[in-house]
Amino acid sequence: DTEVTQTPKHLVMGMTNKKSLKCEQHMGHRAMYWYKQKAKKPPELMFVYSYEKLSINESVPSRFSPECPNSSLLNLHLHALQPEDSALYLCASSQMTGRSNYGYTFGSGTRLTVV
Amino acid sequence: KNEVEQSPQNLTAQEGEFITINCSYSVGISALHWLQQHPGGGIVSLFMLSSGKKKHGRLIATINIQEKHSSLHITASHPRDSAVYICAVRGMDSNYQLIWGAGTKLIIKP
Repeated sequence: DTEVTQTPKHLVMGMTNKKSLKCEQHMGHRAMYWYKQKAKKPPELMFVYSYEKLSINESVPSRFSPECPNSSLLNLHLHALQPEDSALYLCASSQMTGRSNYGYTFGSGTRLTVV
Repeated sequence: KNEVEQSPQNLTAQEGEFITINCSYSVGISALHWLQQHPGGGIVSLFMLSSGKKKHGRLIATINIQEKHSSLHITASHPRDSAVYICAVRGMDSNYQLIWGAGTKLIIKP
C-alpha cells in the first residue's frame, strides 16, 4: 500500500458544526502533515506529527484540532469554522522529518466548504 | 522576490510536443521536489532530486545545484498530462518545511 487515503473527499459544514477529517497511511511513515490549500495558491503547512507527537503547529487557530491516535492515522477535528476556512485540506506523510531526503506522499485531499 | 520561481506560469501546447518547465531557487537546499496537481485534486509526487537527473516514463527531471536550477521535461505530451506542475524545495536549515513555487499550469490540446 503506497497511498495516503483521506476521507471524506467533500465536506459541507455549518459554522456551528463539529466535523473531522481523516487521513490514513500504511507505509510505515512516521511523519504526517496537514496542509491547507486555497484556490490557485500553494499548500500552507498547518501541523506536523513526528512519531505520533505534535512537533509543529504553524500558528493555526484553535478551531482546528489535530490528533494522531496511532502511527497510521491522523485526524483533523473542526469546530466553529468560518467561511474563509473553506479550502482543500491535504494530508501528507514521509518516512520521517529531519535533515534527510525523504519523499512525501500526498493524499487526494478533502474539499471543505463552510456555510 | 520569491525563493522559488517557476516559469512559465501557463503553458499551452499540442499533443506530442516536448514540454519544459523551469524552476529556479535562491536558497541552499537539501532536496527539490516536482509535484503534479490536477484541478481540484490531490498532489502527486513525481520526483525528488538532490543532484543529477531522474527519469520516469515520459517524465525527466534535472537539477543543477551550482546554478540553483531544475527543469521538468515531458516527452510526447498527452492531454492527460494537463495539470499544474509544482516545484518545491526543502531548505538546508529546515527539517520539515517545503518552500513552494507558484506552479505552472499546463494544458495539452489534442
